[in-house]
Amino acid sequence: LAKTTQPISMDSYEGQEVNITCSHNNIATNDYITWYQQFPSQGPRFIIQGYKTKVTNEVASLFIPADRKSSTLSLPRVSLSDTAVYYCLVGDIGTGRRALTFGSGTRLQVQP
Amino acid sequence: DVKVTQSSRYLVKRTGEKVFLECVQDMDHENMFWYRQDPGLGLRLIYFSYDVKMKEKGDIPEGYSVSREKKERFSLILESASTNQTSMYLCASSLSTSGRSSYEQYFGPGTRLTVT
Repeated sequence: LAKTTQPISMDSYEGQEVNITCSHNNIATNDYITWYQQFPSQGPRFIIQGYKTKVTNEVASLFIPADRKSSTLSLPRVSLSDTAVYYCLVGDIGTGRRALTFGSGTRLQVQP
Repeated sequence: DVKVTQSSRYLVKRTGEKVFLECVQDMDHENMFWYRQDPGLGLRLIYFSYDVKMKEKGDIPEGYSVSREKKERFSLILESASTNQTSMYLCASSLSTSGRSSYEQYFGPGTRLTVT
C-alpha cells in the first residue's frame, strides 16, 4: 500500500464544508483511493472510493486531481454527528485477499 | 446489512489469564481480521484469515493466537494476558473478491479489554 499523509486534526463548525486532504505521492497506476470514517467507540466504516476526477455519494465527495498524488474528501455542511476520525487508504483493488493498513487518520471535531 | 458481532463490549481480566475474544459475521465473508486500536497508533493488524482453518500473521501477532473452525467465526486468543494488551480490539470481515469489495471491510463494535 502506498504511504499516505493526512493532517492529524481539524476543527470546524456546524454548517460548514470540510475538506480533508490526503497526500499519496507514490500512488501506483492501479491504486485506488479509499476513505473510512470512525465514530467514537465504533469500528471504522467504508465511506467512499475513487480512482480519478470526482466521486460523490450520499455521505461525501472525493476529489482526485489528474496527477493523483493527493485526494480531498469533502463533507458538505457538517453537523455535530460528523465528528469522527477519517482515514485515507491507497492501494490496488485487484486482489480480494487484503488486509488494510490504517494510519492515524484525521480527527475532525465539529463545534456547534 | 452485514453484521459483525463481538462477544463482549467490555472485558476485565487479570494478568496471566487466558482470554478469548469471539467474532461472528453473518454475510458469508471469506476474509476475517483482528485489529487492535490504541491512542495515537491507529489500527494495527494482529491476525487475519482468508478461509476456514487458515491464518496469517499481521503486524503485531506476538502474544496472540487465532482460531477459525467455521467460516462465520474468528476467535482471538490471548494465551497469557499482560497489561500491555489492554486495548480496544476490533474484528472485521470482507469478501474475497477483487474490486471495491477488497477494500470494504465491515467492522464489529469492538471489545475494550482491560488487563489488571
